[in-house]
Amino acid sequence: AQSVTQLGSHVSVSEGALVLLRCNYSSSVPPYLFWYVQYPNQGLQLLLKYTSAATLVKGINGFEAEFKKSETSFHLTKPSAHMSDAAEYFCAVTSMEYGNKLVFGAGTILRVKS
Amino acid sequence: GAGVSQTPSNKVTEKGKYVELRCDPISGHTALYWYRQSLGQGPEFLIYFQGTGAADDSGLPNDRFFAVRPEGSVSTLKIQRTERGDSAVYLCASSERAGGLTDTQYFGPGTRLTVL
Repeated sequence: AQSVTQLGSHVSVSEGALVLLRCNYSSSVPPYLFWYVQYPNQGLQLLLKYTSAATLVKGINGFEAEFKKSETSFHLTKPSAHMSDAAEYFCAVTSMEYGNKLVFGAGTILRVKS
Repeated sequence: GAGVSQTPSNKVTEKGKYVELRCDPISGHTALYWYRQSLGQGPEFLIYFQGTGAADDSGLPNDRFFAVRPEGSVSTLKIQRTERGDSAVYLCASSERAGGLTDTQYFGPGTRLTVL
């Protein structure tokens, strides 16, 4: 079965602090992994994606994520949080086994304190 | 360029009524997807079109749900005999190629459906 687990439905950090949002996946075949961000009343926007080219993936707005096969993880990080990073973040996975559909985690709401 | 658009942005209906939700994908995108997002959850897959045909409709919850894409561009999601449990945000996404697993899916802003 293919699924995505995002640990922590809510994460709170201070402005300037490290952001770490956790994502673990399960897949019986090599996965492709995505992080999307959703700002209030807006659509999902792609932050970055892992397509097997490189395990460390850099995305927009200073975010990056590292694919770790041994840990079945794809955690999202940013060295220094900004107030504008406050949003909901979704990890998603797809693979050959499940066709083109994305399977999403439940999401993590990031709060940035001033 | 223009992104994915969805209309209406909000739809309130009564239990038992029929509704149609429209999606305009990015021009030239072959693949189109519908997802449903319930409160506090991530989006859940409903159906995927390659061109005009539904390549995968395994996510449609029951036969009250139906979607079409007659000319390979605009798509309509149709829900018959709506139930209160259908209340959710319905998201549409498109991607450039059919069958491109690594292609980015571009999402619209969604239609918030409320069934009273």
